[in-house]
Amino acid sequence: NAGVTQTPKFRVLKTGQSMTLLCAQDMNHEYMYWYRQDPGMGLRLIHYSVGEGTTAKGEVPDGYNVSRLKKQNFLLGLESAAPSQTSVYFCASKRDRANVLTFGAGSRLTVL
Amino acid sequence: DAKTTQPTSMDCAEGRAANLPCNHSTISGNEYVYWYRQIHSQGPQYIIHGLKNNETNEMASLIITEDRKSSTLILPHATLRDTAVYYCIVPPEYGNKLVFGAGTILRVKS
Repeated sequence: NAGVTQTPKFRVLKTGQSMTLLCAQDMNHEYMYWYRQDPGMGLRLIHYSVGEGTTAKGEVPDGYNVSRLKKQNFLLGLESAAPSQTSVYFCASKRDRANVLTFGAGSRLTVL
Repeated sequence: DAKTTQPTSMDCAEGRAANLPCNHSTISGNEYVYWYRQIHSQGPQYIIHGLKNNETNEMASLIITEDRKSSTLILPHATLRDTAVYYCIVPPEYGNKLVFGAGTILRVKS
């Protein structure tokens, strides 16, 4: 039982490049979340999903797109990366309306 | 959504109890208080949650005031491994936006 797995763990991009972060959970959780964390800061919610085929905007959605085509996967896309998107990205999931989140280990993204 | 206020940082001596406060004066009747912690560079970890009664598990105790406007997370015998950022959040009763604040940096010192 792996829990929440994020791929890749590290990535360096040039400004304007695109990429996708993958979050996979094997716990059959309904809800999934993407957060970003800048150095010395707390977590900020980017997008979230309340079930397969659904997505919703969080606090800082601009510059990101998401998709939840399969229940176990939540993809975070950057269409045209900017240096301001340099951050550590965390994915999380929860089973139901109780707010017990399980987090992944994070993906560190650097945009040059 | 109920806003939470936590001190920026706290120190605690190893082996002593760590008491981390959180103010949530705008909490509504059916909103729970949740606590998470984030050890350096790792993903946050759920600790405990409660509605109005005090709660205890293997990690910590949660004391919620009678008026529910504040709470305290208690680590009864802090160790160096408890050094982390501790987040207190009050998710909305309806809706699924889970927002974290800046949290409290707890430094446990030997």
